[in-house]
Amino acid sequence: QSALTQPASVSGSPGQSITISCTGTSSDVGRYNYVSWYQQYPGKAPKLMIYDVSIRPSGVSNRFSGSKSGNTASLIISGLQAEDEADYYCSSYSNTNTPPYVVFGGGTKVTVL
Amino acid sequence: QVQLQESGPGLVKPSQTLSLTCTVSGGSITSGNYYWSWIRQPAGKGLEWIGRIYTSGSTNYNPSLKSRVTISVDMSKIQFSLRLTSVTAADTAVYFCARAVIAAPAFDIWGQGTMVTVTS
Repeated sequence: QSALTQPASVSGSPGQSITISCTGTSSDVGRYNYVSWYQQYPGKAPKLMIYDVSIRPSGVSNRFSGSKSGNTASLIISGLQAEDEADYYCSSYSNTNTPPYVVFGGGTKVTVL
Repeated sequence: QVQLQESGPGLVKPSQTLSLTCTVSGGSITSGNYYWSWIRQPAGKGLEWIGRIYTSGSTNYNPSLKSRVTISVDMSKIQFSLRLTSVTAADTAVYFCARAVIAAPAFDIWGQGTMVTVTS
């Protein structure tokens, strides 16, 4: 059981926007502005898409954006494209133990219809 | 451009120790701006953070694995290593090494991953 809760799957048609949620607690997502999002293709290493809740690393498409409200963070993919079909993971710090440590969500499979 | 490469045995027997090394190329492991982590992923499942080491040698581990994990760094060889003791089938996974910026615990560079199977 993962520390952060994500929907198992999300789907959308090309051109549409989809939102992937990442729900934690006041000890992780709600406490830190350190939510990150990763994209992973089968058999490949994850790729950082968003960090610090809403910052895109250089080279990541501006179709990807992030936000947070309370204990839930969100990854929004706008203008959905076939290449966006992949697994997505969120992560955060958690302070349920000290020092803070990294926790991941269970992952969301994005399907482009 | 910094690259990471995992290496180590692909098969480990139950109750024995899993040992992996991550070699850093194209950059320095000694920069104080980063820390270095191990992350694993069982087949068909999600990511699990194992632990991290700073260039100072300070470490933090996942509380669920803390009693079995040791991460060390060899800056002269530009490598950092993972030791996981008393392994079971539940430790079978792809193991990734990764770099994160200290101020933002986000893993910006990953190795390709190495599959480790625990089997007798």
